Amino acid sequence: EIVMTQSPATLSVSPGERATLSCRASQSIRSNLAWYQQKAGQAPRLLIYGASTRATGIPTRFSGSGSGTEFTLTISSLQSEDFAVYYCQQYNDWLMYTFGQGTRLDIK
Amino acid sequence: EVQLVESGGDLVQPGGTLRLSCAASGFTFSAYTMSWVRQAPGKGLEWVSTISASGGSTYFADSVKGRFTISRDNSKNTLYLQMNSLRAEDTAVYYCAKSGSKGYYFDSWGQGSLVTVSS
Repeated sequence: EIVMTQSPATLSVSPGERATLSCRASQSIRSNLAWYQQKAGQAPRLLIYGASTRATGIPTRFSGSGSGTEFTLTISSLQSEDFAVYYCQQYNDWLMYTFGQGTRLDIK
Repeated sequence: EVQLVESGGDLVQPGGTLRLSCAASGFTFSAYTMSWVRQAPGKGLEWVSTISASGGSTYFADSVKGRFTISRDNSKNTLYLQMNSLRAEDTAVYYCAKSGSKGYYFDSWGQGSLVTVSS
C-alpha cells in the first residue's frame, strides 16, 4: 500500500498571504495525484488532478506541482473561504487508492 | 449539474446489516466508474469500494472485503453499498463519489450518509 504523508498537520496563515502544503508518497506515483478541499460539515471538493490540472470552476489562485513522490499545493493569496482541511490522494496504485491524513489550514 | 444523493444511513447494532443508496443525476451514470469513500468521526478519508461503469467489476478495501458488496442499477441511475457484519470501526459518514474522466480521482461527491454501529 502506498502511504501518503501530508505536512504540516496544521498551517496558520493570514488572509492575503501564500500557503504551501506538501504531500509525499512512499513510492513513485508519477503524476497520479489529486487534491481535495473539505470544509466543516461538507463533502470534499476536487481541486486538482493529475498533480497540476485544476478541476472545473477552481480559482487560479490554487495550483499544484510535483511528480514522483513529492507534491505541493499552493494557494497564492488566501481568501476567507479557503480556510479548510486539504487532502491529497494517490490513484496510481490500481484500486488501492489512499489519502493523506490532511492539512488543516487555519486563519492566523 | 452533477448531483449525488445518498440515503440509508442509520444506527445499527454490531453484526447488523445496512444498505446505502446513491441516486445520481446530471451526467450519464452508466458511463462512469463509481465509488464509496468513508470518513470516521474526526478522521480522514478512506476509500471503501469501486464498481466499473458496467457493474461487471468490483473492488474493495481490505478493511471491508468479504463483508461489503457494491452494486449499481444503471436503469435507475443508482449506486448501492450493502454492508454486512458491521463493526464499531465501520462508523463513519459514507460518501458516494464519481470518478473523473482522466483517472481514478473523485470529481463529484454526495453530501454523505452517516452510519453508526453501536449497541
